[in-house]
Amino acid sequence: GAVVSQHPSWVICKSGTSVKIECRSLDFQATTMFWYRQFPKQSLMLMATSNEGSKATYEQGVEKDKFLINHASLTLSTLTVTSAHPEDSSFYICSATLYTGELFFGEGSRLTVL
Amino acid sequence: AQRVTQPEKLLSVFKGAPVELKCNYSYSGSPELFWYVQYSRQRLQLLLRHISRESIKGFTADLNKGETSFHLKKPFAQEEDSAMYYCALSLSGSARQLTFGSGTQLTVLP
Repeated sequence: GAVVSQHPSWVICKSGTSVKIECRSLDFQATTMFWYRQFPKQSLMLMATSNEGSKATYEQGVEKDKFLINHASLTLSTLTVTSAHPEDSSFYICSATLYTGELFFGEGSRLTVL
Repeated sequence: AQRVTQPEKLLSVFKGAPVELKCNYSYSGSPELFWYVQYSRQRLQLLLRHISRESIKGFTADLNKGETSFHLKKPFAQEEDSAMYYCALSLSGSARQLTFGSGTQLTVLP
């Protein structure tokens, strides 16, 4: 089946720094990718929809200047957490849509901000 | 706004026993409903979707529009079914933007 890969799997950074997380569709092209956030023992919350070649669509309450999303190619979307703070620590998961409409998820990236 | 509710955070059953994971949704239109599963240390993956009306790994789920439910069932649970299960809803034509329930951790005891 289709594979979506995220990098890094986990990252620790200092407060105030920026962190970039990559989401790649390895064997298919994805015009649309989605970014989710998951707090411990909680559900996945959709943050934004990443569209290739255009601006991302953010969900209500998600700061677009805080969470920068770039979808420069059909196989890569990036999420940059700018000026990260401890409250940004979370598990970030991306997903990509295959042409069939089926959704495939990445393995997730755990961010810890000290 | 749409909402998905999974009332049970934890569910334990013995091997061979029937299992039912509950899912209720609220949405005034005609949503698509899914069940996703996450095995230990693995990524989230699709288990089944209501429009397929298929059985995957012995699991079935029927959409009940009257009760706005999409419960996941299996007549005889196996130890390898132990995992986190998420019910999710997608609005028609929404390019797969999913609203997830809070998840149910299923443990099948030997």
